Amino acid sequence: QVHLVQSGAEVKKPGASVKVSCKASGYTFIRYAMHWVRQAPGQRLEWMGRINAGNGNTKYSEKFQGRVTITRDTSASTAYMELSTLRSEDTAVYYCARGPMEQQLFAAYYYYMDVWGKGTTVTVSS
Amino acid sequence: EIVLTQSPGTLSLSPGERATLSCRASQSISSSYLSWYQQKPGQAPRLLIYGASSRATGIPDRFSGSGSGTDFTLTISRLEPEDFAVYYCQQYGSSPWTFGQGTKVEIK
Repeated sequence: QVHLVQSGAEVKKPGASVKVSCKASGYTFIRYAMHWVRQAPGQRLEWMGRINAGNGNTKYSEKFQGRVTITRDTSASTAYMELSTLRSEDTAVYYCARGPMEQQLFAAYYYYMDVWGKGTTVTVSS
Repeated sequence: EIVLTQSPGTLSLSPGERATLSCRASQSISSSYLSWYQQKPGQAPRLLIYGASSRATGIPDRFSGSGSGTDFTLTISRLEPEDFAVYYCQQYGSSPWTFGQGTKVEIK
């Protein structure tokens, strides 16, 4: 059975960074992408970016470009999302979500998000 | 970026009734790369539909999706008690991937 287990809740001060982990099990890690989505209180879901777990290629939403870094450790079947220069508006639940992908010779195609982690609450407060 | 607008904001229905949820995109979504998710309070979203009309693994056939271009619909044929939740549409045809603001289906 596919599981994504996220790290625990974090409380950070403005200006700090946070790194959230997402450990995958029950499937071949490198055959899928891992996406990161956040949900601020009362707000819609917001896609932050993704990593191709096979080759490490990343794509970020322009909104977070320069502040977010998504990495993976294939030996540990774990993906990470680091968000820097935190501000109060970054207070949210952060989800990782597995994404089917089609890896071809010169390109990869990414499709929806089929399995989600339970979420990690990040609170930014002075 | 593609903006998704869902309607109505809230749908008040009774168990056994039919629910019709709408999702409209600000521009055409390529290859019908649209999905629907269900979210209950305190839980992560759950994939229901992908490719506009394909049901995800384990999703009951009372859930169906349709549409193309800019107009998409999620239909729940007969509401079960466990279906009362918030539903989001999401497009993955162009970056950045975006979500609608959600439709809450509540018990009347």
